[in-house]
Amino acid sequence: GQQVMQIPQYQHVQEGEDFTTYCNSSTTLSNIQWYKQRPGGHPVFLIQLVKSGEVKKQKRLTFQFGEAKKNSSLHITATQTTDVGTYFCAALGTASKLTFGTGTRLQVTL
Amino acid sequence: EAEVAQSPRYKITEKSQAVAFWCDPISGHATLYWYRQILGQGPELLVQFQDESVVDDSQLPKDRFSAERLKGVDSTLKIQPAELGDSAMYLCASSTRGTGELFFGEGSRLTVL
Repeated sequence: GQQVMQIPQYQHVQEGEDFTTYCNSSTTLSNIQWYKQRPGGHPVFLIQLVKSGEVKKQKRLTFQFGEAKKNSSLHITATQTTDVGTYFCAALGTASKLTFGTGTRLQVTL
Repeated sequence: EAEVAQSPRYKITEKSQAVAFWCDPISGHATLYWYRQILGQGPELLVQFQDESVVDDSQLPKDRFSAERLKGVDSTLKIQPAELGDSAMYLCASSTRGTGELFFGEGSRLTVL
């Protein structure tokens, strides 16, 4: 079945530093979604990317979809303690099945 | 703001017992999902409904798990008998259609002793 890998598994940054997580699929994707899950919480939708090479921004967050629609990235500029959590990509493949990635846990300290 | 409702929030049971989880999606959402999330891992799709029909249950362990959405609204996920390895968070999610944003409930945390 479809596999979606994310790297790194874990990253610890100081507040103000940048952070990037990468998502890679073994197959071409219809679209990719990103979710954030706070500790003890449930996944919350951030964004959906559909077009090859698409770039979207939400304040300090920048999302990219690869040209071949097999990979994606999330970049956070100048992290804040409120960015703490696990970031998941979720890939929409065949039969509208949404497969979540392995996740990247972000820890931010002052 | 409309939310996905799940119950119970927490469930502790002994192995070999039966367990049931309930989910009420956001009104009007045709697609309903049950995911299982083991601590430290990403959510894994167990079953996906479109209205009352199952569209994907390929990862559902059918010897012990069952799911239904009889009237195409709320849904129940059952485990019988529960095993130690079933300890996890069971997340319900809904969406207006199968390709859009998923709205998750708070989840039901299961501990099997």
